Amino acid sequence: EAAVTQSPRSKVAVTGGKVTLSCHQTNNHDYMYWYRQDTGHGLRLIHYSYVADSTEKGDIPDGYKASRPSQENFSLILELASLSQTAVYFCASRTGLGGRNYAEQFFGPGTRLTVL
Amino acid sequence: GQQVQQSPTSLVLQEGENAELQCNFSTSLNSMQWFYQRPGGSLISVFYNPSGTKQSGRLTSTTVIKERRSSLHISSSQITDSGTYLCAMEPYNQGKLIFGQGTKLSIKP
Repeated sequence: EAAVTQSPRSKVAVTGGKVTLSCHQTNNHDYMYWYRQDTGHGLRLIHYSYVADSTEKGDIPDGYKASRPSQENFSLILELASLSQTAVYFCASRTGLGGRNYAEQFFGPGTRLTVL
Repeated sequence: GQQVQQSPTSLVLQEGENAELQCNFSTSLNSMQWFYQRPGGSLISVFYNPSGTKQSGRLTSTTVIKERRSSLHISSSQITDSGTYLCAMEPYNQGKLIFGQGTKLSIKP
């Protein structure tokens, strides 16, 4: 079973402060993703990565940075947190290899971020 | 742009009735996934179904690529089926998911 973990599970931050959300996967997957979910809505892609030491912008990258120091770890960084970044953040991974279910994404439990 | 449309937005049923959730997409796809989410909860993968029909217990997913649609059928609904169901598709050769807005399902006793 795929395993994606996130830390912290919840966080309260102050406006203008720096926030780092961490994601760790033990699936040996190449692809990792950060999504955000606002109350009552679907998920939107912030950043993703195909390989360690490289990140790509998703659909809503403004105000966020990402870091992929190793295959297993992917971080989302909010340099100057703002009220509008209050949301639930999900990390996901998938294999970059072929195979029957090659595009299936596996999600972490989420991090609830509140910016005050 | 690429879009994923889910319908209905919300659905209220009596326990025992069947539910039909729809997901329509505007481009060719690599994959289609259905997720279940309780309020404040994490995403639970229900189906990975890029094409054809898959069944798991009372749940059936059917993806018809040519018609650019996927459906999730829940038979003999139970109160514990209540929650939000999200579909997400990966457009061809893009390596990332695009989510629908979800269908909120409420099952009444």
